[in-house]
Amino acid sequence: AIQLTQSPSSLSASVGDRVTITCRASQDISSDLAWYQQKPGKAPHLLIYDASTLESGVPSRFSGSGSGTEFTLTINTLQPEDFATYFCQQFNRYPLTFGGGTRVEIK
Amino acid sequence: HVQLQESGPGLVKPSQTLSLTCSVSGDSITSGSYYWSWVRQPAGEGLEWIGLISTFGRTNYNPSLKSRVTISVDTSKNQFSLNLTSVTAADTAVYYCARVLMATMNPWGQGTLVTVSS
Repeated sequence: AIQLTQSPSSLSASVGDRVTITCRASQDISSDLAWYQQKPGKAPHLLIYDASTLESGVPSRFSGSGSGTEFTLTINTLQPEDFATYFCQQFNRYPLTFGGGTRVEIK
Repeated sequence: HVQLQESGPGLVKPSQTLSLTCSVSGDSITSGSYYWSWVRQPAGEGLEWIGLISTFGRTNYNPSLKSRVTISVDTSKNQFSLNLTSVTAADTAVYYCARVLMATMNPWGQGTLVTVSS
């Protein structure tokens, strides 16, 4: 199975900060990567697919980049509602796999 | 817009079978080139993909669970289901259903907690 390694596993940031989360794949997955946001007690919510395409309705402060084995999720100008856990997921090969998650906390 | 809702017992005894159903509303489960998936999340942990099914019944399962998992679809009821046999405490988790299209899982159901305990 393709392993996805997210870093950091958690971070503390302030409102207005720029945050970058990395997801590394154990093998080339082209651009077959999605990012999700999950808040406590809620289901994951799709933010970005195909590594860099913003899902409809998602604020433009979220952006994704990368291809192959290294990907990043960037949140520009962090807002209070962005404090959550973020997961990457690969769709290149079965079994589908998720990264371990990055928890973004308030500093 | 499409909504998904999981249902089923919240408590299952060890060695028994966990059975959940995901009801799809707002659109026909047969419309579009969708697959329908199950994902689980133990408390405080990450997400684990269980498997998925097409509306034609084509399935793909996580090898780690394949020997115990069956996913089926009932197009007449606009729902799909998960059966997980021989459960243990390690199967305690929130179970989510989700629609899959190309390289996205969207939307997701709200999730249902299943506890395995005697």
